[in-house]
Amino acid sequence: SQQGEEDPQALSIQEGENATMNCSYKTSINNLQWYRQNSGRGLVHLILIRSNEREKHSGRLRVTLDTSKKSSSLLITASRAADTASYFCATDEQGAQKLVFGQGTRLTINP
Amino acid sequence: SQTIHQWPATLVQPVGSPLSLECTVEGTSNPNLYWYRQAAGRGLQLLFYSVGIGQISSEVPQNLSASRPQDRQFILSSKKLLLSDSGFYLCAWSPGGASYEQYFGPGTRLTVT
Repeated sequence: SQQGEEDPQALSIQEGENATMNCSYKTSINNLQWYRQNSGRGLVHLILIRSNEREKHSGRLRVTLDTSKKSSSLLITASRAADTASYFCATDEQGAQKLVFGQGTRLTINP
Repeated sequence: SQTIHQWPATLVQPVGSPLSLECTVEGTSNPNLYWYRQAAGRGLQLLFYSVGIGQISSEVPQNLSASRPQDRQFILSSKKLLLSDSGFYLCAWSPGGASYEQYFGPGTRLTVT
């Protein structure tokens, strides 16, 4: 089945810098979602972008979607120590009841 | 508001013992329910999902089974645990199919010894 693949696998930046994570997928989708997971916890939904949208904002988060390249990016601006977490993209298969998650990007924000 | 509960939070079980993990959702009706497993430092592997009572879809043939005896209750079971069943088990619900966001429980850390 298709799978989102995040890049990079790990990212370490200084507090205040911007963090960019990328996701690529293989087949047509209805939407793409991004989730955050703090260590040892459940995932938290961040943002959903539909296939007919190109960009979406939520607070310090900016998500882009390029369906021609089958890729998405998540930008976190003005990073904070509390943003330290793993970030996952998840894609659907058109008409499916389920999501397929990628392997995630582990983000570390250094104070 | 909706809440999702999972228990226990941690579990250490010997190889060959049975397993029962429970997940319940409050504040919604007829949710889609999902069981995932996550290996250390890895992504989520979908194990089972359910769109209604008694309706279970299995994603990966394995040593586990799932049941949905009530609308907002999802149970993950095994008759005999294997070492490879160790991992972090997450339950999630959504109000519909894959076009909706999923809401995750706190997870169960299972160690099979």
